[in-house]
Amino acid sequence: QSALTQPASVSGSPGQSITISCTGTSSDVGGYNSVSWYQQHPGKAPKLMIYDVSNRPSGVSNRFSGSKSGNTASLTISGLQAEDEADYYCSSYTSSSNWVFGGGTKLTVL
Amino acid sequence: EVQLVESGGGLVKPGGSLRLSCAASGFTFSTYTMNWVRQAPGKGLEWVSSISSSSSYIHYADSLKGRFSISRDNAKNSLYVQMNSLRAEDTAVYYCARGLSTSGWDPSAFGYWGQGTLVTVSS
Repeated sequence: QSALTQPASVSGSPGQSITISCTGTSSDVGGYNSVSWYQQHPGKAPKLMIYDVSNRPSGVSNRFSGSKSGNTASLTISGLQAEDEADYYCSSYTSSSNWVFGGGTKLTVL
Repeated sequence: EVQLVESGGGLVKPGGSLRLSCAASGFTFSTYTMNWVRQAPGKGLEWVSSISSSSSYIHYADSLKGRFSISRDNAKNSLYVQMNSLRAEDTAVYYCARGLSTSGWDPSAFGYWGQGTLVTVSS
């Protein structure tokens, strides 16, 4: 199972919005609504930010939103804040009853 | 409060074995799918294995089949992974992660994560 494709890095200024894409295939992202997004700060464990494409767990800011079109999922962060600077990973369930992660995207808040 | 505490990591020689444990608390362990995810130093996340609430469904990453074995003890609220024939490329922080919902097999997301335990494979 190949990793999902994410941009290596994205950046934005405080208050702006950014979008991170996550491209897979019809065997994973395109075939299931089990797409999730994780935030990871240096030296910390990942934290679930979005599940089932567009749902936010309790406690996650509504500045984070998710969507999907075909084989590509997206994470949008609006009103960027300094604390949003982190690595972000997408993940999808697959037709092999496995999970696959994206390579990760480093978000820099300028 | 959901807590997941991994243990058992350390330095092991190539070809050696190691058993990791994950002690769970703060939720009804027996009703959740549990997972192992690893992260090599400076690299991204890699799914390792998952086990359903009753151990009926077990899946492994293709690259690991035959070397790793996941198990759980619902009476002890514990998750395990037995790692054999370890290689340098298995060096990583290993995270225990809980499924999101209380279905027997949860393909949704990794809702809670432990802090991880470092496994280093080196001679």
